Amino acid sequence: DTEVTQTPKHLVMGMTNKKSLKCEQHMGHRAMYWYKQKAKKPPELMFVYSYEKLSINESVPSRFSPECPNSSLLNLHLHALQPEDSALYLCASRETGAGANVLTFGAGSRLTVL
Amino acid sequence: GQNIDQPTEMTATEGAIVQINCTYQTSGFNGLFWYQQHAGEAPTFLSYNVLDGLEEKGRFSSFLSRSKGYSYLLLKELQMKDSASYLCAVKQAGTALIFGKGTTLSVSS
Repeated sequence: DTEVTQTPKHLVMGMTNKKSLKCEQHMGHRAMYWYKQKAKKPPELMFVYSYEKLSINESVPSRFSPECPNSSLLNLHLHALQPEDSALYLCASRETGAGANVLTFGAGSRLTVL
Repeated sequence: GQNIDQPTEMTATEGAIVQINCTYQTSGFNGLFWYQQHAGEAPTFLSYNVLDGLEEKGRFSSFLSRSKGYSYLLLKELQMKDSASYLCAVKQAGTALIFGKGTTLSVSS
């Protein structure tokens, strides 16, 4: 299995809803990432988990709450989002250790906040 | 601070060769990546350079000059399916990838 699987592919939510995005990989990668990508813009780093511990939080608003329940799963909990949070949310993973640098991305979850 | 620059758009015809340039200024450097991204899809890995020189992989090659903070992606024998966004990304030690704004390549027949 060489894939990163993200669900759901599409999500529409209101500003008062609580929802979650899920990401799963079975490649044994111990570093996992959330990126946010707006249309015609590059991916912007949100969070990095290394060995199930949060190692980087790029000053993301608290309405986004990441969780890494185990080495294969990464969640992004969403609450009280704003319309400007509408974007493609990409999960990625990579091996850890010397020379291991390539990020493998999932297909993304396209979020629309009404 | 960090800055990664690449052209916004490029056009080319089928069968041609195109070179997409990327210049970077970062406070650390641990490798430069090129990713391809088709509209609405995930970025896919194309190449990785950490030492100066040319890396060739089929129709795609990538070059790096660390002293100049410069890289390019060379695409040969262009095909219509190569129409996509090409993202230059720099890895700083201990951090994740930082992406440039991407170059949208349009290949016409």
